[in-house]
Amino acid sequence: EVRVVESGGGLVQPGRSLRLSCAASGFTFDEYAMHWVRQAPGRGLEWVSSITWNSDTTAFADSVKGRFTISRDNSKNSLYLQMDSLRHDDTALYYCAKDLGPHGVGIHYWGQGTLVTVSS
Amino acid sequence: IQLTQSPSFLSASVGDRVTITCRASQGLNIYLAWYQQKPGKAPKLLIYATSTLQSGVPSRFSGSGSGTEFTLTISRLQPDDFATYYCQQLTSYPFTFGPGTKVDIK
Repeated sequence: EVRVVESGGGLVQPGRSLRLSCAASGFTFDEYAMHWVRQAPGRGLEWVSSITWNSDTTAFADSVKGRFTISRDNSKNSLYLQMDSLRHDDTALYYCAKDLGPHGVGIHYWGQGTLVTVSS
Repeated sequence: IQLTQSPSFLSASVGDRVTITCRASQGLNIYLAWYQQKPGKAPKLLIYATSTLQSGVPSRFSGSGSGTEFTLTISRLQPDDFATYYCQQLTSYPFTFGPGTKVDIK
Protein backbone atom coordinates (compact mmCIF):
# COMPACT_ATOMS: atom_id res chain seq x y z
CA GLU A 1 0.00 0.00 0.00
CA VAL A 2 1.33 3.41 -0.98
CA ARG A 3 1.73 5.73 1.99
CA VAL A 4 3.18 9.20 2.46
CA VAL A 5 3.21 10.54 5.99
CA GLU A 6 4.11 14.12 6.80
CA SER A 7 5.60 15.35 10.06
CA GLY A 8 7.25 18.43 11.46
CA GLY A 9 4.42 20.92 11.43
CA GLY A 10 3.54 23.10 14.37
CA LEU A 11 3.32 26.64 15.71
CA VAL A 12 6.25 28.88 14.79
CA GLN A 13 6.90 32.59 15.10
CA PRO A 14 7.25 34.80 12.05
CA GLY A 15 10.80 34.87 10.74
CA ARG A 16 11.68 31.49 12.20
CA SER A 17 12.32 28.20 10.44
CA LEU A 18 10.67 24.81 10.28
CA ARG A 19 11.58 21.58 8.52
CA LEU A 20 8.87 19.28 7.24
CA SER A 21 9.55 15.62 6.57
CA CYS A 22 7.66 13.06 4.57
CA ALA A 23 8.16 9.32 4.99
CA ALA A 24 7.20 7.28 1.95
CA SER A 25 6.47 3.58 1.72
CA GLY A 26 4.79 1.05 -0.51
CA PHE A 27 6.45 2.14 -3.75
CA THR A 28 9.89 2.53 -5.29
CA PHE A 29 10.57 6.01 -3.99
CA ASP A 30 13.51 6.83 -6.25
CA GLU A 31 11.42 6.38 -9.40
CA TYR A 32 8.96 9.21 -8.78
CA ALA A 33 8.87 12.95 -8.55
CA MET A 34 7.54 14.32 -5.29
CA HIS A 35 5.65 17.49 -4.43
CA TRP A 36 4.64 19.73 -1.58
CA VAL A 37 1.23 21.35 -1.87
CA ARG A 38 -0.38 23.56 0.76
CA GLN A 39 -3.87 24.70 1.59
CA ALA A 40 -4.57 27.65 3.82
CA PRO A 41 -7.70 27.36 5.99
CA GLY A 42 -10.79 27.73 3.82
CA ARG A 43 -8.74 28.34 0.68
CA GLY A 44 -7.80 26.46 -2.44
CA LEU A 45 -4.80 24.32 -3.25
CA GLU A 46 -1.44 26.00 -3.78
CA TRP A 47 1.48 24.12 -5.33
CA VAL A 48 4.60 24.87 -3.29
CA SER A 49 7.50 22.84 -4.63
CA SER A 50 8.53 19.79 -6.63
CA ILE A 51 11.61 17.63 -6.99
CA THR A 52 12.29 15.12 -9.74
CA TRP A 53 13.15 11.50 -9.04
CA ASN A 54 16.91 12.06 -8.99
CA SER A 55 16.86 15.61 -7.57
CA ASP A 56 18.21 17.09 -10.80
CA THR A 57 15.38 19.58 -10.95
CA THR A 58 13.68 21.43 -8.12
CA ALA A 59 11.11 24.17 -8.47
CA PHE A 60 9.24 26.54 -6.20
CA ALA A 61 6.20 28.77 -6.21
CA ASP A 62 7.08 32.45 -6.46
CA SER A 63 5.56 32.94 -3.01
CA VAL A 64 8.23 30.74 -1.37
CA LYS A 65 11.18 31.06 -3.73
CA GLY A 66 14.36 31.95 -1.86
CA ARG A 67 12.85 30.96 1.49
CA PHE A 68 12.01 27.26 1.04
CA THR A 69 14.26 24.40 -0.01
CA ILE A 70 13.12 20.97 -1.11
CA SER A 71 15.27 17.86 -0.89
CA ARG A 72 14.98 14.11 -0.84
CA ASP A 73 16.99 11.19 0.46
CA ASN A 74 16.24 8.22 -1.73
CA SER A 75 18.18 5.92 0.59
CA LYS A 76 15.71 6.80 3.35
CA ASN A 77 12.58 7.07 1.21
CA SER A 78 12.15 10.56 2.56
CA LEU A 79 11.22 14.01 1.29
CA TYR A 80 11.92 17.26 3.09
CA LEU A 81 10.86 20.89 2.97
CA GLN A 82 13.07 23.40 4.75
CA MET A 83 11.07 26.54 5.40
CA ASP A 84 12.97 29.66 6.43
CA SER A 85 11.86 33.24 7.08
CA LEU A 86 8.32 32.06 7.69
CA ARG A 87 5.49 34.54 7.28
CA HIS A 88 1.91 34.66 8.50
CA ASP A 89 0.68 33.77 5.01
CA ASP A 90 2.64 30.50 5.09
CA THR A 91 0.05 29.21 7.57
CA ALA A 92 -1.52 26.19 5.92
CA LEU A 93 -1.91 22.44 5.84
CA TYR A 94 1.11 21.11 3.96
CA TYR A 95 0.63 17.97 1.89
CA CYS A 96 3.41 15.69 0.74
CA ALA A 97 2.45 14.02 -2.50
CA LYS A 98 3.75 11.46 -4.97
CA ASP A 99 3.68 11.99 -8.72
CA LEU A 100 2.63 9.41 -11.27
CA GLY A 101 6.03 9.63 -12.95
CA PRO A 102 9.65 10.67 -12.50
CA HIS A 103 8.89 14.26 -13.49
CA GLY A 104 5.49 15.99 -13.46
CA VAL A 105 2.49 14.06 -14.75
CA GLY A 106 -0.12 14.28 -12.02
CA ILE A 107 -0.21 14.09 -8.25
CA HIS A 108 -1.14 10.54 -7.50
CA TYR A 109 -1.00 9.96 -3.76
CA TRP A 110 -1.42 12.57 -1.07
CA GLY A 111 -0.64 12.39 2.61
CA GLN A 112 -3.04 13.68 5.22
CA GLY A 113 -1.01 16.83 5.69
CA THR A 114 0.84 18.54 8.51
CA LEU A 115 -0.40 21.86 9.82
CA VAL A 116 1.97 24.82 9.95
CA THR A 117 0.81 27.85 11.90
CA VAL A 118 2.91 31.00 11.75
CA SER A 119 1.97 33.32 14.56
CA SER A 120 3.55 35.37 17.28
CA ILE B 1 0.98 30.12 -16.27
CA GLN B 2 -2.25 31.26 -14.64
CA LEU B 3 -5.32 29.02 -14.56
CA THR B 4 -8.92 30.13 -14.25
CA GLN B 5 -11.90 27.88 -13.72
CA SER B 6 -15.52 28.45 -14.59
CA PRO B 7 -17.90 28.40 -13.00
CA SER B 8 -16.48 28.95 -9.53
CA PHE B 9 -19.67 27.56 -8.03
CA LEU B 10 -22.20 25.20 -9.56
CA SER B 11 -25.50 23.99 -8.16
CA ALA B 12 -26.72 20.78 -9.76
CA SER B 13 -28.99 17.79 -9.23
CA VAL B 14 -28.23 14.10 -9.14
CA GLY B 15 -28.24 12.82 -12.71
CA ASP B 16 -27.23 16.15 -14.26
CA ARG B 17 -24.42 16.47 -16.78
CA VAL B 18 -21.82 18.86 -15.40
CA THR B 19 -19.00 20.58 -17.25
CA ILE B 20 -16.20 22.54 -15.64
CA THR B 21 -13.81 24.59 -17.75
CA CYS B 22 -10.18 25.36 -17.00
CA ARG B 23 -8.47 28.08 -19.03
CA ALA B 24 -4.75 28.73 -19.13
CA SER B 25 -2.99 32.01 -19.75
CA GLN B 26 -0.61 30.21 -22.13
CA GLY B 27 -0.87 27.11 -24.23
CA LEU B 28 -0.30 23.83 -22.39
CA ASN B 29 0.92 20.45 -23.52
CA ILE B 30 -1.12 17.44 -22.49
CA TYR B 31 -0.12 17.64 -18.81
CA LEU B 32 -3.29 19.00 -17.31
CA ALA B 33 -4.79 17.16 -14.33
CA TRP B 34 -8.09 17.29 -12.46
CA TYR B 35 -8.63 16.62 -8.76
CA GLN B 36 -11.63 16.22 -6.50
CA GLN B 37 -11.51 17.36 -2.91
CA LYS B 38 -14.08 16.83 -0.20
CA PRO B 39 -14.11 18.79 3.07
CA GLY B 40 -11.42 17.68 5.49
CA LYS B 41 -9.90 15.26 3.00
CA ALA B 42 -6.84 15.23 0.78
CA PRO B 43 -7.44 15.79 -2.93
CA LYS B 44 -7.98 12.80 -5.20
CA LEU B 45 -6.58 12.55 -8.72
CA LEU B 46 -9.36 12.03 -11.27
CA ILE B 47 -7.80 12.74 -14.66
CA TYR B 48 -4.22 13.24 -15.82
CA ALA B 49 -2.65 14.06 -19.15
CA THR B 50 -5.85 15.91 -20.14
CA SER B 51 -8.02 12.86 -20.68
CA THR B 52 -6.56 9.77 -18.99
CA LEU B 53 -8.82 8.44 -16.28
CA GLN B 54 -6.95 7.53 -13.11
CA SER B 55 -7.37 3.90 -12.10
CA GLY B 56 -10.44 3.35 -9.96
CA VAL B 57 -12.18 6.58 -10.98
CA PRO B 58 -15.72 6.05 -12.33
CA SER B 59 -16.14 6.33 -16.09
CA ARG B 60 -18.73 9.10 -15.70
CA PHE B 61 -15.72 11.42 -15.31
CA SER B 62 -13.97 12.50 -18.49
CA GLY B 63 -11.51 15.14 -19.54
CA SER B 64 -10.77 16.85 -22.82
CA GLY B 65 -9.19 19.92 -24.31
CA SER B 66 -6.03 21.35 -25.73
CA GLY B 67 -4.06 24.55 -25.89
CA THR B 68 -5.59 26.95 -23.40
CA GLU B 69 -9.02 25.41 -22.78
CA PHE B 70 -9.72 22.15 -20.97
CA THR B 71 -12.88 20.61 -19.57
CA LEU B 72 -13.88 18.11 -16.94
CA THR B 73 -17.25 16.50 -17.55
CA ILE B 74 -19.32 14.42 -15.17
CA SER B 75 -21.86 12.65 -17.33
CA ARG B 76 -24.45 11.86 -14.64
CA LEU B 77 -23.82 13.49 -11.30
CA GLN B 78 -23.95 11.14 -8.33
CA PRO B 79 -24.38 12.00 -4.64
CA ASP B 80 -20.70 11.18 -4.04
CA ASP B 81 -19.62 13.80 -6.60
CA PHE B 82 -20.57 16.86 -4.59
CA ALA B 83 -17.14 18.32 -3.89
CA THR B 84 -14.66 20.94 -5.06
CA TYR B 85 -12.76 20.32 -8.28
CA TYR B 86 -9.36 21.72 -9.19
CA CYS B 87 -7.36 21.69 -12.38
CA GLN B 88 -3.56 21.77 -12.34
CA GLN B 89 -1.10 22.36 -15.14
CA LEU B 90 2.15 20.39 -15.15
CA THR B 91 3.40 21.74 -18.46
CA SER B 92 5.92 24.09 -16.89
CA TYR B 93 6.97 25.26 -13.46
CA PRO B 94 5.35 26.54 -11.33
CA PHE B 95 2.77 23.76 -11.46
CA THR B 96 -0.19 26.02 -10.76
CA PHE B 97 -3.65 24.99 -9.63
CA GLY B 98 -6.86 26.60 -10.69
CA PRO B 99 -8.94 28.34 -8.02
CA GLY B 100 -11.47 25.52 -7.79
CA THR B 101 -15.09 24.86 -8.67
CA LYS B 102 -17.47 23.88 -5.90
CA VAL B 103 -20.26 21.57 -6.98
CA ASP B 104 -23.20 21.75 -4.61
CA ILE B 105 -26.57 20.08 -4.38
CA LYS B 106 -29.46 21.98 -5.94
